Amino acid sequence: AQSVTQLDSQVPVFEEAPVELRCNYSSSVSVYLFWYVQYPNQGLQLLLKYLSGSTLVKGINGFEAEFNKSQTSFHLRKPSVHISDTAEYFCAVSLNTGRRALTFGSGTRLQVQP
Amino acid sequence: GAVVSQHPSWVICKSGTSVKIECRSLDFQATTMFWYRQFPKQSLMLMATSNEGSKATYEQGVEKDKFLINHASLTLSTLTVTSAHPEDSSFYICSARDMGGNQPQHFGDGTRLSIL
Repeated sequence: AQSVTQLDSQVPVFEEAPVELRCNYSSSVSVYLFWYVQYPNQGLQLLLKYLSGSTLVKGINGFEAEFNKSQTSFHLRKPSVHISDTAEYFCAVSLNTGRRALTFGSGTRLQVQP
Repeated sequence: GAVVSQHPSWVICKSGTSVKIECRSLDFQATTMFWYRQFPKQSLMLMATSNEGSKATYEQGVEKDKFLINHASLTLSTLTVTSAHPEDSSFYICSARDMGGNQPQHFGDGTRLSIL
């Protein structure tokens, strides 16, 4: 079975500062990796995904993530955050076969302060 | 882009009633849809996988007679919470995956269910 660990439950950061949200996963087989963002009382929006190929993945809203197989990590980064980036961020994995159900991490609350 | 519509967005009802939540893929076909439950300030927990034309697959600990799932077409899945009680109050989110290839899941905006 797969599991996902998001090491930080909350990350406060000042506007225009860089940020990194950490994600580690565990799986005995190959997986796909995702980052989703959730705004209050809304569903999830896909930020980016890693399926294969280049380990540096660029997503929407200026976010990017790097897949590191040796460290089983998929950390999310943004060089300069905005107030509007304040939200809950979820890292998720799925198998690359079968129904590909998602297993989510516990989430990281990004709080951007002026 | 792929859009998933979930309805209603908010429902309040009395204990003992049944509530139906709809999940529609608007611009793609989805043989598989997923239903999640999210408690306040917590992550999403997969409840069941909805398969078009066949029975849903429920996760361990989820009562299939309590949470009825019907996936009658390639664009619609419904979740019915039967005889709802206050402990069923939660945020329910559906997602759908495009039939083709390695497409990611696209999520609806969720349904806030409050049982009085």
